[in-house]
Amino acid sequence: AQKVTQAQTEISVVEKEDVTLDCVYETRDTTYYLFWYKQPPSGELVFLIRRNSFDEQNEISGRYSWNFQKSTSSFNFTITASQVVDSAVYFCALSRYTGANSKLTFGKGITLSVRP
Amino acid sequence: GAVVSQHPSRVICKSGTSVKIECRSLDFQATTMFWYRQFPKQSLMLMATSNEGSKATYEQGVEKDKFLINHASLTLSTLTVTSAHPEDSSFYICSTRKGEGTEAFFGQGTRLTVV
Repeated sequence: AQKVTQAQTEISVVEKEDVTLDCVYETRDTTYYLFWYKQPPSGELVFLIRRNSFDEQNEISGRYSWNFQKSTSSFNFTITASQVVDSAVYFCALSRYTGANSKLTFGKGITLSVRP
Repeated sequence: GAVVSQHPSRVICKSGTSVKIECRSLDFQATTMFWYRQFPKQSLMLMATSNEGSKATYEQGVEKDKFLINHASLTLSTLTVTSAHPEDSSFYICSTRKGEGTEAFFGQGTRLTVV
């Protein structure tokens, strides 16, 4: 069985602060995919990143960065210099590596509020 | 642009009526569509997986006679909430993937309110 744990439920920061969203996962698979999605108030899910279990390199995209630690089964997401537009619910998700249409297993989500 | 189009975005219906939600893949053939439900301030819970030309696979605890799924073509999957009740009020989202290892694309979601 696969499981994703996002222990933080709500985080509130002031604009320009850095914030890290934690994600811990469980799977028996040796290969798998990890994802982060953003869900703004409109409800639509916005894809942020996909990482396969082979690649443990950290990734940076603008103000966003991801730290994948296979040894601790964690895939944390950091927003640098947060902005009000970053306010949303963020989901970490996990899927099997094989199978073109493997379902995603989501964490409970973290509500991030960025105050001006 | 959008890869998956879901309609309607919002619907209010009376208790006891049925509601159909459509999900279309716009520029590719989706052999599999996932249907999720999300209650306020909660995560997305998979309800069922629809496969083109065959019966949908429902997750444990999801009533297949209440949530009818039809995947008659490679670009269209529908979810019908039959005899809707207020407890069915939720946000329903469809999703598909273009192929192995790709990210999941989501529809815009349908906010269903049963009064």
